[in-house]
Amino acid sequence: DGGITQSPKYLFRKEGQNVTLSCEQNLNHDAMYWYRQDPGQGLRLIYYSQIVNDFQKGDIAEGYSVSREKKESFPLTVTSAQKNPTAFYLCASKGLPRSFYGYTFGSGTRLTVV
Amino acid sequence: AQTVTQSQPEMSVQEAETVTLSCTYDTSESDYYLFWYKQPPSRQMILVIRQEAYKQQNATENRFSVNFQKAAKSFSLKISDSQLGDAAMYFCAYRSAMNYGGSQGNLIFGKGTKLSVKP
Repeated sequence: DGGITQSPKYLFRKEGQNVTLSCEQNLNHDAMYWYRQDPGQGLRLIYYSQIVNDFQKGDIAEGYSVSREKKESFPLTVTSAQKNPTAFYLCASKGLPRSFYGYTFGSGTRLTVV
Repeated sequence: AQTVTQSQPEMSVQEAETVTLSCTYDTSESDYYLFWYKQPPSRQMILVIRQEAYKQQNATENRFSVNFQKAAKSFSLKISDSQLGDAAMYFCAYRSAMNYGGSQGNLIFGKGTKLSVKP
């Protein structure tokens, strides 16, 4: 079945460490997105990519980095520069530019700083 | 820039009753899509219902229906015959139908409404 796989489901990071969250899709979607979710904040866009080898900053990109070397993969690195990384992270993808079908979401990664 | 506002942080409904969740949005565009997503305790985002702005008819999916008022920029979700499994966070979202590249076409979310269902 087609879908988006995020791993790991839970991730723990020590202060000062970089960690990478994985996002893989087999939907043949061009666009992929990373969102951060905090209580009472809704979903805030970190980075997005509409095509391989290209990506743009979202609303809260500071302290994060991404790559898009393959259509199927859009990993997110949370760097030590991100001062408050504890949150729930959601990856999503979208097919055709004018698609009526919204986004398809992964099941998320819960990141905790210890 | 477009914005989406959900004015009810929390709502509660009795099982089998009907509840309406509010959503308003701000845009200068005429062609766009609106969505309601459900996020249960598993935190998986599930598309509940969607509406195309140029369609007058309100969308309906089984027990879920919307009241789309384009002039008022309002997009409320009505859940009929509420069930315990409807308990979740509900997010309203907006997306432009145009795609000029850049941020056009990105989903913009409200902050959500937490719905509780009482047995």
